Amino acid sequence: DTAVSQTPKYLVTQMGNDKSIKCEQNLGHDTMYWYKQDSKKFLKIMFSYNNKELIINETVPNRFSPKSPDKAHLNLHINSLELGDSAVYFCASSQGSGPGGEQFFGPGTRLTVL
Amino acid sequence: AQSVTQLDSQVPVFEEAPVELRCNYSSSVSVYLFWYVQYPNQGLQLLLKYLSGSTLVESINGFEAEFNKSQTSFHLRKPSVHISDTAEYFCAVSERIQGAQKLVFGQGTRLTINP
Repeated sequence: DTAVSQTPKYLVTQMGNDKSIKCEQNLGHDTMYWYKQDSKKFLKIMFSYNNKELIINETVPNRFSPKSPDKAHLNLHINSLELGDSAVYFCASSQGSGPGGEQFFGPGTRLTVL
Repeated sequence: AQSVTQLDSQVPVFEEAPVELRCNYSSSVSVYLFWYVQYPNQGLQLLLKYLSGSTLVESINGFEAEFNKSQTSFHLRKPSVHISDTAEYFCAVSERIQGAQKLVFGQGTRLTINP
């Protein structure tokens, strides 16, 4: 009965490679997010999609490209990985995009770039 | 832009002692405030939130937070902590941007409960 799931849980790769992280939610929510948590635990939003439409795009390098094939999925593709991309990436979802809604988070994907 | 400051990066306390985790925010518009908890190696879970109405909000596991507009604070408190409360706690403010909700998080406070 997992609500928000991410694959893989761990990802270790070399600089310059391209990798993808997948996210799925079974809550019937229409809004999904990607967050980056750095080594100091600081959390920052990267992207938000509502009904498969990109609505928030923070100042993220264009090496990062989110894709939402349907409302239940939001994938993150990263090109030309750099050392500074090492972090934990969290997917989240919510019903609607109102300011008071609860966001449900996935377990995270720990990305290590060597 | 809105911002959140958590004044303590780490708070160690003994089991059954009271605890307060401090959070201050800056916002020029209506404020929606949240506390999320992150247990080791897990994602974040909502602990409690303030949207409107009573300034004191409570969670099901004994935490409470009080919205103080004059002091722009939303401190989290628990009168008696348990070992299982060991976690990272994040205060967040919701900002409406481009018709969407954007959560702006504080730096987090690591709560460590010692036996």
